[in-house]
Amino acid sequence: QQQVKQSPQSLIVQKGGISIINCAYENTAFDYFPWYQQFPGKGPALLIAIRPDVSEKKEGRFTISFNKSAKQFSLHIMDSQPGDSATYFCAASMGTSGSRLTFGEGTQLTVNP
Amino acid sequence: DAGVIQSPRHEVTEMGQEVTLRCKPISGHDYLFWYRQTMMRGLELLIYFNNNVPIDDSGMPEDRFSAKMPNASFSTLKIQPSEPRDSAVYFCASRTVGLGNTIYFGEGSWLTVV
Repeated sequence: QQQVKQSPQSLIVQKGGISIINCAYENTAFDYFPWYQQFPGKGPALLIAIRPDVSEKKEGRFTISFNKSAKQFSLHIMDSQPGDSATYFCAASMGTSGSRLTFGEGTQLTVNP
Repeated sequence: DAGVIQSPRHEVTEMGQEVTLRCKPISGHDYLFWYRQTMMRGLELLIYFNNNVPIDDSGMPEDRFSAKMPNASFSTLKIQPSEPRDSAVYFCASRTVGLGNTIYFGEGSWLTVV
């Protein structure tokens, strides 16, 4: 029940295209859903996050869509760029401290020029 | 701020040796986390501290692993004795309450046990 399932494992997109990564969770107590971006040789860094009281959050080219009833959330990268090539992790946590982040398996995104 | 600082960045050691990984969290952060990343298991939370006190160590794989946080600016993760299956990237991360739930990761310590 603590798992967060992420798909696809890898994704190849052409420059300018839309990248979509999906995550699903089981634990309805989760109330914080961040996405992290990780470049090779670096630690993960927060990209964007959402709470379940909204269905969508947009920051620049990055959008999280959240479907509470389906227990699913997704990351959309509009106008994908080669610089977006990285590994993306969804995650979830619960409670006001939200300390115990449960990560998805990761998606390796490659954006071809 | 300099971010979360980890050392060493890379370590190669022989099986059976003791390994000590070090972490300096972001100043003012009161939560500190140790994660392990492998291809097979992804990102796993090993242990986390709040105000220097271990809160949840249920992710520590076995007794060979131990972690300490003697003060607010320093933590260690020790593996004794090390085994080849401990080879992974170990990340330290920190956060503070009041700025959302953003957890800031260090750049990791790449451990290879041969």
